[in-house]
Amino acid sequence: QSVLTQPPSVSGAPGQRVTISCTGSNSNIGAAYVVNWYQQLAGTAPKLLIYGDTNRPSGVPDRFSGSKSGTSASLVITGLQAEDEADYYCQSYDSRLSGEVFGTGTKVTVL
Amino acid sequence: QVTLRESGPALVKPTQTLTLTCTFSGFSLNTSGACVSWIRQPPGKALEWLARIDWEDDKYYSTSLKTRLTISKDTSKNQVVLIMTNMDPVDTATYYCARGQYHFDDWGQGTLVTVST
Repeated sequence: QSVLTQPPSVSGAPGQRVTISCTGSNSNIGAAYVVNWYQQLAGTAPKLLIYGDTNRPSGVPDRFSGSKSGTSASLVITGLQAEDEADYYCQSYDSRLSGEVFGTGTKVTVL
Repeated sequence: QVTLRESGPALVKPTQTLTLTCTFSGFSLNTSGACVSWIRQPPGKALEWLARIDWEDDKYYSTSLKTRLTISKDTSKNQVVLIMTNMDPVDTATYYCARGQYHFDDWGQGTLVTVST
């Protein structure tokens, strides 16, 4: 059902940098609709991590950053920490579906 | 401080109608730009947006579920209600309500709804 594709999992050692991709199409990311990112810790509700492609809400550490190019977006975590182990979802708007769409989700494991 | 809380039945039978209520505080759905959405997540699966209602009472629905969903608001009670008809076991999920127009700033804790006989 998801029209935004993410890798199922990524992993890294503490302190490393990991990148999560979010691949869409010309009816969502490629149409310049903003991309947002959410972090979901085990057993909890999602939390807004990045909005408007690159912006961090107050309280989100600056080791999280977002970018977008063409029909794809990326979330980068630099200086990976144990507490970053969670599921991450991208989200945008799709003009063909006339609604919000989420990515398939990526599980980040800290080795 | 913004809070949202979902409430509704934990168990429904196939073909029944599900009614969920989102009770919120810290903002008003009468304020320009205010929106509340419903989003669900089947166990172990991805998030799926279902519906949104805004401050002007405009309503938007997931294309794939549009015929089964109705969203409404009661601004005097600070509540948003989602009705989903003809429930099926594949609708088993945690249902969240969330505040936001282009992104979801605040989320409720979610309520697990199981569809089973």
